[in-house]
Amino acid sequence: NAGVTQTPKFQVLKTGQSMTLQCAQDMNHNSMYWYRQDPGMGLRLIYYSASEGTTDKGEVPNGYNVSRLNKREFSLRLESAAPSQTSVYFCASSGGLTGLEAFFGQGTRLTVV
Amino acid sequence: KQEVTQIPAALSVPEGENLVLNCSFTDSAIYNLQWFRQDPGKGLTSLLLIQSSQREQTSGRLNASLDKSSGRSTLYIAASQPGDSATYLCAVPDRGSTLGRLYFGRGTQLTVWP
Repeated sequence: NAGVTQTPKFQVLKTGQSMTLQCAQDMNHNSMYWYRQDPGMGLRLIYYSASEGTTDKGEVPNGYNVSRLNKREFSLRLESAAPSQTSVYFCASSGGLTGLEAFFGQGTRLTVV
Repeated sequence: KQEVTQIPAALSVPEGENLVLNCSFTDSAIYNLQWFRQDPGKGLTSLLLIQSSQREQTSGRLNASLDKSSGRSTLYIAASQPGDSATYLCAVPDRGSTLGRLYFGRGTQLTVWP
């Protein structure tokens, strides 16, 4: 019963490098999300996907792109990493009987130097 | 946009105490409210989801209440244990939205000492 799986768990990038954070869920949920968590700022939504084939911006989308590859997978791409993107990134999904309860992955700790 | 506030920001208690954590939100037109637990360096674990039609939800020693009209929720932890030490977060969705995009409070950092 894996739930929401994120890779990698840790990453260090140099300014200007690119990378993709991967997320997969095995709960057959329609909706998936990417959040970032910063000290003093709490959790903020970057992008979300209400269903396969759709994506929408959240509160802090600048500098990021996303792809909803299929129902299971939702990736987050940093095209040109900046130190301001140093954060912990969480993927989440929601669905189930009520479609409302959200489940989170274990997070990716990203440092941009 | 929802504004979610959690009080207190930190709480330190001896083992065995009963605790109340508070969460308030600005827009009462919500379908649900969710409480999470986060251990240091870990992801969020869902504790309780309260639908707007419910007033309470219970899981073991945890009881969460929801008063939509006043924009408040409380998480009650009975007979606290050191293993309850973590940060507790509440979250609400957009007004009238059944989607899962959530607005979070900053959390209450709980320490239970033996």
